[in-house]
Amino acid sequence: QKEVEQNSGPLSVPEGAIASLNCTYSDRVSQSFFWYRQYSGKSPELIMSIYSNGDKEDGRFTAQLNKASQYVSLLIRDSQPSDSATYLCAVNGHNAGNMLTFGGGTRLMVKP
Amino acid sequence: NAGVTQTPKFQVLKTGQSMTLQCAQDMNHNSMYWYRQDPGMGLRLIYYSASEGTTDKGEVPNGYNVSRLNKREFSLRLESAAPSQTSVYFCASSPARGTDTQYFGPGTRLTVL
Repeated sequence: QKEVEQNSGPLSVPEGAIASLNCTYSDRVSQSFFWYRQYSGKSPELIMSIYSNGDKEDGRFTAQLNKASQYVSLLIRDSQPSDSATYLCAVNGHNAGNMLTFGGGTRLMVKP
Repeated sequence: NAGVTQTPKFQVLKTGQSMTLQCAQDMNHNSMYWYRQDPGMGLRLIYYSASEGTTDKGEVPNGYNVSRLNKREFSLRLESAAPSQTSVYFCASSPARGTDTQYFGPGTRLTVL
């Protein structure tokens, strides 16, 4: 079982809708959670970080964390075609050096 | 600030050739990382350097070596390239290891024939 799981997609939503991206992780002691956005052919860029249970909002983006269920999600409200990208979930792993472990990414397509 | 820079952007090697990927950051970060990204597999950590003078293996270190030349620069060397090393390589840096935000370079697309 991979340590960080994401549905590879593609997830297709119409413009203006809410896109919901999900991520589960296996290491119960993980403390830090990140969402990166990666456009095709580009490098990942951080869009959200979350460290405690509950919701964290930043503009059209909301990250949700449930440590009991080992689940982190990203909601994108009023989705725009420019949101079309692959979204990577990253979790700090219980490994030597406390490094981040990335999921395989979910490809989001927002249709005009 | 240029952030994290990587050279080259593209490279084609023949099996058995060697090369070094260069990475530099100008954010005064302590930690630096090398990842590879293959289709559908996200980012996998090859090596990292928690601070100047230290390096450690990540998830997929076989076939690679690294050097933390100074606080700014972290290079990745392929001594004898293999087709399985065809990938996109990203360098990243962060103020400290693990829990801090990592900032990524533009990547190097490597093909090994």
